[in-house]
Amino acid sequence: QVQLVQSGAEVKKPGASVKVSCKASGYIFTSYGISWVRQAPGQGLEWMAWISPYNGNTNYAQKFQGRVTMTTDTSTNTANMELGSLRSDDTAVYYCARDSGELGHDSWGQGTLVTVSS
Amino acid sequence: DIQMTQSPSSLSASVGDRVTITCRASQGIGNYLAWFQQKPGKAPKSLIYAASSLQSGVPSKFSGSGSGTDFTLTISSLQPEDFATYYCQQYNFYPLTFGGGTKVEIK
Repeated sequence: QVQLVQSGAEVKKPGASVKVSCKASGYIFTSYGISWVRQAPGQGLEWMAWISPYNGNTNYAQKFQGRVTMTTDTSTNTANMELGSLRSDDTAVYYCARDSGELGHDSWGQGTLVTVSS
Repeated sequence: DIQMTQSPSSLSASVGDRVTITCRASQGIGNYLAWFQQKPGKAPKSLIYAASSLQSGVPSKFSGSGSGTDFTLTISSLQPEDFATYYCQQYNFYPLTFGGGTKVEIK
């Protein structure tokens, strides 16, 4: 079955960077895109960015452009999202989700809590 | 960016009730509309894609309709496990955008 397993919770200081990983299994990794979505405490869902593991193409929400770097490793079926210049309002749960084209985001990781605090 | 407006933002309903949530896009998105259910502390779960198609394993009490700018999610008979927050999402244009969510609570 399709599974996306994310790395564990992180605590970072303002100005630092954080890298969240998302290991995929149960499907052909290069056949589906990966989106990153975050959710601040008590708030709604916010789409951040998308990457194609097939060719590395990316799309970013403008507010994250220049601060987010996404990579994939097809040898380990892992997608990574690095967010830099962290601020306190980056405190959120970060999710990866499989993008199945017309079927939308059909599978999600369990989420990774990133806390930014001095 | 396309704005997705959900209403209501919250509702109280009883077990067995029929519940309808609406989602309006600020411009036409065809049928590239998905609905998600999220329970506290859990990842979102995909319910519906392409406005009206049920994801595999999702019970038929959930149904979706609409195209263009106006969409609805209907739960035919609310059960205790359906109390959650529901989000719509357009995935026709980047940046992908979500509605603000509808919290369905027990009356």
